[in-house]
Amino acid sequence: GIQVEQSPPDLILQEGANSTLRCNFSDSVNNLQWFHQNPWGQLINLFYIPSGTKQNGRLSATTVATERYSLLYISSSQTTDSGVYFCAVDPFYSGYSTLTFGKGTMLLVSP
Amino acid sequence: EPEVTQTPSHQVTQMGQEVILRCVPISNHLYFYWYRQILGQKVEFLVSFYNNEISEKSEIFDDQFSVERPDGSNFTLKIRSTKLEDSAMYFCASSIGSGANVLTFGAGSRLTVL
Repeated sequence: GIQVEQSPPDLILQEGANSTLRCNFSDSVNNLQWFHQNPWGQLINLFYIPSGTKQNGRLSATTVATERYSLLYISSSQTTDSGVYFCAVDPFYSGYSTLTFGKGTMLLVSP
Repeated sequence: EPEVTQTPSHQVTQMGQEVILRCVPISNHLYFYWYRQILGQKVEFLVSFYNNEISEKSEIFDDQFSVERPDGSNFTLKIRSTKLEDSAMYFCASSIGSGANVLTFGAGSRLTVL
């Protein structure tokens, strides 16, 4: 099946710093989503971005489908940004949306 | 904004007991899913459901698991005889279509098997 690699696995930031999280995937995809899992375990959908660039407040994401990677940018980080960020993809060859998740990047933003 | 609702948020059960986790997908969505996340690990696909039948399932989804849409709004996951290793967060998700469509996830049901 499709492989999803996220980097870095862990990241510690001071409040106000910027960061870039990366997601590499091994095959063409028709769905790519970024999620934030908060300390309560909830999965919050951040972006649906199989290609192109999107922005939502301090967060933005870019997927370069031809090169099989996606980047999530967090600017002016806040303590509430802490948690695990997951990238999940659905390959073109799957008939249904069986998202494959990466192992995630654990982000800790300290005051 | 429409959301996927899951109940219970946390359930503790004894090994060997049956558990039913409930989900109310977004009302105009047609595709429904269950995913599982064992503590500290990544989220894994269990099963997808469309048109009142299973459309795809993973190796994890063995005979002790079943899904059902008993009425027009609920979507359930039943674990027939729970094992210790079934302890996990279970997420329900729904989408309006398959393939290139956003999956919206519920807040999860944390199952603890003692």
